[in-house]
Amino acid sequence: AQSVTQLGSHVSVSEGALVLLRCNYSSSVPPYLFWYVQYPNQGLQLLLKYTTGATLVKGINGFEAEFKKSETSFHLTKPSAHMSDAAEYFCAVRAVWGGATNKLIFGTGTLLAVQP
Amino acid sequence: DAGVIQSPRHEVTEMGQEVTLRCKPISGHDYLFWYRQTMMRGLELLIYFNNNVPIDDSGMPEDRFSAKMPNASFSTLKIQPSEPRDSAVYFCASSPGTGERFTEAFFGQGTRLTVV
Repeated sequence: AQSVTQLGSHVSVSEGALVLLRCNYSSSVPPYLFWYVQYPNQGLQLLLKYTTGATLVKGINGFEAEFKKSETSFHLTKPSAHMSDAAEYFCAVRAVWGGATNKLIFGTGTLLAVQP
Repeated sequence: DAGVIQSPRHEVTEMGQEVTLRCKPISGHDYLFWYRQTMMRGLELLIYFNNNVPIDDSGMPEDRFSAKMPNASFSTLKIQPSEPRDSAVYFCASSPGTGERFTEAFFGQGTRLTVV
């Protein structure tokens, strides 16, 4: 079975500072991993994804994440926060191989605040 | 494509009434997911379908909830009778198949349900 743990339900950074949102996963088979962003009163939109291949993946709006199998982590980073980055961020895992059930499971989310 | 379309966007109903939420997935997508989002429990997977067949409904909270997918372009989530604790935002998402066809899940804008 898959699961996702996001450390820190609220993260606050200053504009221009590094953004680091943590995600650890558990999966019995090689996972696909995702980061989604949700702005107020909107649905979720994909920031980036890891399926296979390069472990450092780049997404929209300057975000990137690195898949570290040994640490079962997929942390999201951005070198310099912008006010428009304030939103809620969700990490998700999906097992798509070996007869797994293909569920898409989300973490509990991290609300990012950006201070001027 | 217009994306995943959910209706209505907002629903206010009285306790005990039947509520039906609707979803039109993206054409050609094999998977359809229903999620519920609350402050307390985050994003919960309720049920998902593959090629119109329910695969896993273990997240459906109780028998008052039911979901159907009569064809590839339409799904409903029904609550009967509704209770105040069902108040939440309900999201529908769709995605293409697994393996090389897999990308990510695309979300609708959600239905905000308020049961009074």
